Amino acid sequence: SAVISQKPSRDICQRGTSLTIQCQVDSQVTMMFWYRQQPGQSLTLIATANQGSEATYESGFVIDKFPISRPNLTFSTLTVSNMSPEDSSIYLCSAAGPVHHTGELFFGEGSRLTVL
Amino acid sequence: GENVEQHPSTLSVQEGDSAVIKCTYSDSASNYFPWYKQELGKGPQLIIDIRSNVGEKKDQRIAVTLNKTAKHFSLHITETQPEDSAVYFCAANLNEKLTFGTGTRLTIIP
Repeated sequence: SAVISQKPSRDICQRGTSLTIQCQVDSQVTMMFWYRQQPGQSLTLIATANQGSEATYESGFVIDKFPISRPNLTFSTLTVSNMSPEDSSIYLCSAAGPVHHTGELFFGEGSRLTVL
Repeated sequence: GENVEQHPSTLSVQEGDSAVIKCTYSDSASNYFPWYKQELGKGPQLIIDIRSNVGEKKDQRIAVTLNKTAKHFSLHITETQPEDSAVYFCAANLNEKLTFGTGTRLTIIP
């Protein structure tokens, strides 16, 4: 399994500001994803972080609001831009296992954002 | 896209009893079905999974069954213990993307 580290683990942010979340995997993985989990809710896929190219966003999520980078096979960032209280959520980084197309997905501990 | 429904949303069982959580999926092309356990303040942890070519899989006290015809799969936890208390999510993999169920909050009563 892959070990995934995220930072910050939590933050309190002011409305209108932006915050970048970093995700580091301890091994090279083929696929990385970003999920959002609103309080008491399930996990919703934001986007697939593609290495060396633009991320692939799911319906309802756009690059201007959630820019994503993935400069190599072990690291990705998610920025939450121009935050509002509705963006208060847990943001989870995930990575597919080292073997391509296994489907096994591992998660970091999440970054809990509170927007005031 | 895929749609996954999960029931019940909350479940309380006496310690030592069994717990069953059920999920249904909509797209017959989904081929991989993991279950995750999420404890308070932590990320989801993969606890067991099953692929579409298998009907049942067991790992100690937990088991998962899959009925492809009916498009449903279930998590079974036997001899429940207090540390089993958590939120459990099922998921279905379609085209390398996981769609999650809405979660079940399992409480084990000592």
